[in-house]
Amino acid sequence: DTAVSQTPKYLVTQMGNDKSIKCEQNLGHDTMYWYKQDSKKFLKIMFSYNNKELIINETVPNRFSPKSPDKAHLNLHINSLELGDSAVYFCASSQAHRGSGYTFGSGTRLTVV
Amino acid sequence: GENVEQHPSTLSVQEGDSAVIKCTYSDSASNYFPWYKQELGKRPQLIIDIRSNVGEKKDQRIAVTLNKTAKHFSLHITETQPEDSAVYFCAASRSGGGADGLTFGKGTHLIIQP
Repeated sequence: DTAVSQTPKYLVTQMGNDKSIKCEQNLGHDTMYWYKQDSKKFLKIMFSYNNKELIINETVPNRFSPKSPDKAHLNLHINSLELGDSAVYFCASSQAHRGSGYTFGSGTRLTVV
Repeated sequence: GENVEQHPSTLSVQEGDSAVIKCTYSDSASNYFPWYKQELGKRPQLIIDIRSNVGEKKDQRIAVTLNKTAKHFSLHITETQPEDSAVYFCAASRSGGGADGLTFGKGTHLIIQP
């Protein structure tokens, strides 16, 4: 069983389009995240979300928005895609205060052309 | 916010030798320090972590040390093998699983020479 799963694995789209990436975790964790890994392999947090709060990295453009239908899902919506949005996006989850670490999904490689 | 610096960016060692990767952090409130290994095209995978109430932790060939006073921590891999070749990331967090997430270093590309 995959603990944190993302779809799609690859996404190629044109500039200006709107797209979504889905994430689901079956670990029973209460906190989920989106990270962006750029072409230089730098991993940076974009959002974290649990039942109580959404924390947004202030450097993330408001074209990006997380949507959580329930505790096990955190989807990422991106509007008006730009070339610079091309990256690998990783979903992750953790259990706050348990300190058991973070589990990452397999990533979605987004290419904007 | 937290800032994590990682060195070196590339490390090449002979198979069987040891490898050491070093990180420093800026936020004295950080208390959880994991290390992730990422193979090409794969997800980051946790290989070892340490909390601020511990100075050293070991798991087979991998060990991590933490100096809270100096705000630095290091990954030590002994008897390196070809399968250790990957990009390694250090990270820091205030909550070890909480909503603040992880702040990552920029990664070290470890190359094991046969």
